[in-house]
Amino acid sequence: DAGVIQSPRHEVTEMGQEVTLRCKPISGHDYLFWYRQTMMRGLELLIYFNNNVPIDDSGMPEDRFSAKMPNASFSTLKIQPSEPRDSAVYFCASSLSGEATQYFGPGTRLTVL
Amino acid sequence: KQEVTQIPAALSVPEGENLVLNCSFTDSAIYNLQWFRQDPGKGLTSLLLIQSSQREQTSGRLNASLDKSSGRSTLYIAASQPGDSATYLCAVRYGGATNKLIFGTGTLLAVQP
Repeated sequence: DAGVIQSPRHEVTEMGQEVTLRCKPISGHDYLFWYRQTMMRGLELLIYFNNNVPIDDSGMPEDRFSAKMPNASFSTLKIQPSEPRDSAVYFCASSLSGEATQYFGPGTRLTVL
Repeated sequence: KQEVTQIPAALSVPEGENLVLNCSFTDSAIYNLQWFRQDPGKGLTSLLLIQSSQREQTSGRLNASLDKSSGRSTLYIAASQPGDSATYLCAVRYGGATNKLIFGTGTLLAVQP
Protein backbone atom coordinates (compact mmCIF):
# COMPACT_ATOMS: atom_id res chain seq x y z
CA ASP A 1 0.00 0.00 0.00
CA ALA A 2 1.20 3.53 -0.73
CA GLY A 3 0.36 4.76 2.75
CA VAL A 4 -1.52 7.95 3.52
CA ILE A 5 -1.19 10.44 0.68
CA GLN A 6 -1.41 14.19 1.16
CA SER A 7 -1.34 17.01 -1.33
CA PRO A 8 0.07 19.49 -1.83
CA ARG A 9 3.29 18.94 0.14
CA HIS A 10 3.93 22.67 0.31
CA GLU A 11 1.53 25.57 -0.03
CA VAL A 12 2.35 29.26 0.08
CA THR A 13 -0.54 31.67 -0.09
CA GLU A 14 -1.47 35.19 0.82
CA MET A 15 -3.67 36.19 3.71
CA GLY A 16 -7.33 36.09 2.82
CA GLN A 17 -7.02 33.37 0.22
CA GLU A 18 -8.79 30.02 0.38
CA VAL A 19 -6.62 26.98 1.01
CA THR A 20 -7.62 23.36 0.43
CA LEU A 21 -5.58 20.47 1.72
CA ARG A 22 -6.23 16.95 0.50
CA CYS A 23 -5.82 13.49 1.97
CA LYS A 24 -6.20 9.94 0.73
CA PRO A 25 -6.25 7.44 3.62
CA ILE A 26 -4.99 3.88 3.50
CA SER A 27 -7.53 1.67 1.77
CA GLY A 28 -9.75 -0.14 4.25
CA HIS A 29 -9.14 2.23 7.14
CA ASP A 30 -12.35 3.45 8.74
CA TYR A 31 -10.91 6.37 10.70
CA LEU A 32 -9.35 9.54 9.37
CA PHE A 33 -7.72 12.24 11.48
CA TRP A 34 -6.55 15.78 10.68
CA TYR A 35 -3.76 17.26 12.87
CA ARG A 36 -1.90 20.55 12.94
CA GLN A 37 1.69 20.88 14.14
CA THR A 38 3.33 24.13 15.23
CA MET A 39 6.39 24.91 17.29
CA MET A 40 4.29 26.67 19.92
CA ARG A 41 1.48 24.15 20.35
CA GLY A 42 2.94 20.89 19.11
CA LEU A 43 0.61 18.36 17.49
CA GLU A 44 -3.10 19.03 17.91
CA LEU A 45 -6.05 17.02 16.68
CA LEU A 46 -8.40 19.17 14.61
CA ILE A 47 -11.11 16.71 13.61
CA TYR A 48 -11.65 13.02 12.99
CA PHE A 49 -14.04 10.95 10.90
CA ASN A 50 -15.41 7.44 11.27
CA ASN A 51 -16.84 5.87 8.13
CA ASN A 52 -16.84 9.31 6.46
CA VAL A 53 -18.86 10.90 9.29
CA PRO A 54 -17.29 13.68 11.41
CA ILE A 55 -17.21 12.48 15.00
CA ASP A 56 -15.30 15.14 16.91
CA ASP A 57 -14.49 18.57 15.53
CA SER A 58 -13.82 20.24 18.87
CA GLY A 59 -10.22 20.90 17.85
CA MET A 60 -11.15 22.98 14.82
CA PRO A 61 -9.92 26.44 15.82
CA GLU A 62 -12.50 28.63 14.13
CA ASP A 63 -15.33 28.71 11.65
CA ARG A 64 -12.75 29.51 9.00
CA PHE A 65 -11.76 25.85 9.13
CA SER A 66 -13.93 23.13 7.61
CA ALA A 67 -13.36 19.48 6.73
CA LYS A 68 -15.23 17.02 4.57
CA MET A 69 -14.99 13.37 3.71
CA PRO A 70 -17.23 12.73 0.69
CA ASN A 71 -16.12 9.11 0.38
CA ALA A 72 -13.89 6.54 2.05
CA SER A 73 -10.86 7.43 -0.05
CA PHE A 74 -10.79 11.22 0.10
CA SER A 75 -10.91 14.05 2.60
CA THR A 76 -10.32 17.79 2.45
CA LEU A 77 -9.45 20.42 5.01
CA LYS A 78 -10.33 23.92 3.92
CA ILE A 79 -9.32 27.26 5.40
CA GLN A 80 -11.25 30.30 4.21
CA PRO A 81 -10.06 33.00 4.61
CA SER A 82 -6.52 32.05 5.57
CA GLU A 83 -4.47 34.06 8.09
CA PRO A 84 -0.72 34.13 8.87
CA ARG A 85 -1.33 32.34 12.19
CA ASP A 86 -2.64 29.35 10.24
CA SER A 87 0.92 28.68 9.05
CA ALA A 88 1.79 25.17 10.23
CA VAL A 89 2.28 21.61 9.06
CA TYR A 90 -1.03 19.82 8.60
CA PHE A 91 -1.04 16.04 8.90
CA CYS A 92 -3.62 13.51 7.92
CA ALA A 93 -3.66 10.06 9.55
CA SER A 94 -5.81 6.97 9.21
CA SER A 95 -6.41 3.82 11.24
CA LEU A 96 -8.34 0.55 11.05
CA SER A 97 -10.21 1.31 14.24
CA GLY A 98 -10.37 4.11 16.75
CA GLU A 99 -7.97 2.37 19.11
CA ALA A 100 -5.51 1.06 16.55
CA THR A 101 -2.22 2.51 15.44
CA GLN A 102 -2.58 5.67 13.39
CA TYR A 103 -0.60 5.92 10.15
CA PHE A 104 0.44 9.43 9.23
CA GLY A 105 0.89 11.07 5.86
CA PRO A 106 3.96 13.20 5.06
CA GLY A 107 2.12 16.43 5.87
CA THR A 108 1.40 19.69 4.07
CA ARG A 109 3.54 22.65 5.05
CA LEU A 110 1.32 25.73 4.82
CA THR A 111 2.72 29.25 4.80
CA VAL A 112 0.31 32.17 4.83
CA LEU A 113 1.98 35.48 4.04
CA LYS B 1 -6.68 19.18 31.93
CA GLN B 2 -5.06 16.15 30.31
CA GLU B 3 -1.46 16.98 29.49
CA VAL B 4 1.51 14.99 28.22
CA THR B 5 5.04 16.15 28.97
CA GLN B 6 8.34 14.89 27.60
CA ILE B 7 11.73 15.41 29.18
CA PRO B 8 14.33 16.19 28.03
CA ALA B 9 13.37 18.41 25.11
CA ALA B 10 16.65 17.57 23.40
CA LEU B 11 19.33 14.96 23.90
CA SER B 12 22.70 14.34 22.28
CA VAL B 13 24.57 11.08 22.84
CA PRO B 14 27.54 9.29 21.28
CA GLU B 15 26.88 6.28 19.10
CA GLY B 16 26.53 3.00 20.97
CA GLU B 17 25.13 4.50 24.15
CA ASN B 18 21.92 3.20 25.73
CA LEU B 19 19.40 5.95 26.44
CA VAL B 20 16.02 6.59 28.01
CA LEU B 21 13.35 9.05 26.92
CA ASN B 22 10.66 10.05 29.38
CA CYS B 23 6.97 10.78 29.00
CA SER B 24 4.60 11.80 31.79
CA PHE B 25 0.84 12.29 31.73
CA THR B 26 -1.45 14.01 34.21
CA ASP B 27 -4.45 11.67 34.11
CA SER B 28 -3.74 8.00 34.85
CA ALA B 29 -7.02 6.76 33.33
CA ILE B 30 -5.43 6.09 29.96
CA TYR B 31 -6.61 3.61 27.32
CA ASN B 32 -3.22 3.17 25.66
CA LEU B 33 0.02 5.00 24.94
CA GLN B 34 2.03 5.17 21.72
CA TRP B 35 5.57 6.17 20.92
CA PHE B 36 6.20 7.75 17.52
CA ARG B 37 9.27 8.81 15.62
CA GLN B 38 9.32 11.90 13.39
CA ASP B 39 12.10 12.58 10.92
CA PRO B 40 12.65 16.16 9.67
CA GLY B 41 10.09 17.16 7.07
CA LYS B 42 8.22 13.89 7.35
CA GLY B 43 5.21 12.41 9.05
CA LEU B 44 5.11 10.31 12.18
CA THR B 45 5.97 6.62 12.28
CA SER B 46 4.49 4.49 15.04
CA LEU B 47 7.14 2.61 17.03
CA LEU B 48 5.32 0.92 19.89
CA LEU B 49 1.80 0.84 21.31
CA ILE B 50 1.21 -0.17 24.94
CA GLN B 51 -2.28 -0.99 26.16
CA SER B 52 -3.27 0.18 29.63
CA SER B 53 -3.18 -3.42 30.85
CA GLN B 54 0.42 -3.93 29.72
CA ARG B 55 3.64 -3.01 31.48
CA GLU B 56 5.97 -2.98 28.49
CA GLN B 57 6.40 -3.60 24.79
CA THR B 58 9.56 -4.46 22.86
CA SER B 59 10.55 -4.11 19.23
CA GLY B 60 14.14 -4.76 18.30
CA ARG B 61 16.37 -2.33 20.17
CA LEU B 62 13.37 -0.43 21.53
CA ASN B 63 11.59 -1.11 24.79
CA ALA B 64 8.71 0.96 26.10
CA SER B 65 7.40 0.70 29.63
CA LEU B 66 4.21 2.01 31.19
CA ASP B 67 3.48 2.84 34.83
CA LYS B 68 -0.06 4.13 35.02
CA SER B 69 -0.04 4.75 38.75
CA SER B 70 2.83 7.20 38.48
CA GLY B 71 1.70 8.59 35.13
CA ARG B 72 4.91 7.73 33.35
CA SER B 73 6.24 5.92 30.31
CA THR B 74 9.82 5.45 29.19
CA LEU B 75 11.30 4.56 25.82
CA TYR B 76 14.59 2.73 26.10
CA ILE B 77 16.86 2.63 23.06
CA ALA B 78 19.73 0.15 23.23
CA ALA B 79 23.02 0.59 21.42
CA SER B 80 22.01 3.85 19.75
CA GLN B 81 22.95 4.51 16.12
CA PRO B 82 23.16 7.72 14.07
CA GLY B 83 20.09 6.52 12.19
CA ASP B 84 18.11 6.80 15.44
CA SER B 85 18.45 10.59 15.26
CA ALA B 86 14.92 12.01 15.10
CA THR B 87 12.21 13.54 17.26
CA TYR B 88 10.42 11.04 19.49
CA LEU B 89 6.84 11.75 20.52
CA CYS B 90 4.62 9.97 22.98
CA ALA B 91 0.86 10.13 22.65
CA VAL B 92 -1.84 9.12 25.11
CA ARG B 93 -5.33 7.93 24.32
CA TYR B 94 -7.78 8.22 27.16
CA GLY B 95 -10.80 6.03 27.75
CA GLY B 96 -14.39 6.80 27.10
CA ALA B 97 -15.89 7.62 23.75
CA THR B 98 -12.98 9.67 22.49
CA ASN B 99 -10.42 8.43 20.00
CA LYS B 100 -8.22 11.46 20.46
CA LEU B 101 -4.49 11.15 20.85
CA ILE B 102 -2.90 13.78 23.10
CA PHE B 103 0.70 14.31 22.07
CA GLY B 104 3.69 15.32 24.10
CA THR B 105 6.03 18.02 22.83
CA GLY B 106 8.69 15.53 21.82
CA THR B 107 12.37 14.84 22.49
CA LEU B 108 14.85 15.72 19.76
CA LEU B 109 17.52 13.02 19.76
CA ALA B 110 20.91 13.37 18.08
CA VAL B 111 23.22 10.35 18.02
CA GLN B 112 26.76 11.41 17.20
CA PRO B 113 28.90 9.02 15.12
